Amino acid sequence: DTGVSQDPRHKITKRGQNVTFRCDPISEHNRLYWYRQTLGQGPEFLTYFQNEAQLEKSRLLSDRFSAERPKGSFSTLEIQRTEQGDSAMYLCASSLLRTGNNGYTFGSGTRLTVV
Amino acid sequence: GENVEQHPSTLSVQEGDSAVIKCTYSDSASNYFPWYKQELGKRPQLIIDIRSNVGEKKDQRIAVTLNKTAKHFSLHITETQPEDSAVYFCAASTGNQFYFGTGTSLTVIP
Repeated sequence: DTGVSQDPRHKITKRGQNVTFRCDPISEHNRLYWYRQTLGQGPEFLTYFQNEAQLEKSRLLSDRFSAERPKGSFSTLEIQRTEQGDSAMYLCASSLLRTGNNGYTFGSGTRLTVV
Repeated sequence: GENVEQHPSTLSVQEGDSAVIKCTYSDSASNYFPWYKQELGKRPQLIIDIRSNVGEKKDQRIAVTLNKTAKHFSLHITETQPEDSAVYFCAASTGNQFYFGTGTSLTVIP
């Protein structure tokens, strides 16, 4: 599969622990997005990068959340001091800048369960 | 910010019938409207999209219509099949991130 890869697929963690997720976009895509999806809801935007620059962050992205894309390729999303409310599917997507909104491809997501 | 509302939340149709899902948006600057299909435990997959300079787009059994004045757009699936059963999400974008609706769970009854 040469699409968007996310790792791990599932993560169970105890409340208060830190977790980190990884996203590998499609190689030629220079935009990378993070979304959060809770059960029965549509994906909610968290943040996006253009190359290595983080261009926008949602108000949903509290101080406990941090995302990086240091070399403009893969990205990591870290959640510190996890809370039960952080339990969700974390989706990554990538796209080509020049195609604007076209080419948006989602990864399979990382399902986080905080116990 | 943009607010996207989607109706209905659940929809059951008999195989072969048509299904219609409707969405409204609030930001008149939104110019791109994709529809995604998500099966249980899988990633959202783009099924059709429309830009604000187009009123209607069709791809085989799937069509999308857009009314910019009323700020609403709809997904139409004709001749539904059991494999169309899934959750469908509409979204709106001004150029970067998407704002998604809350989803419609479609069940096609054989």
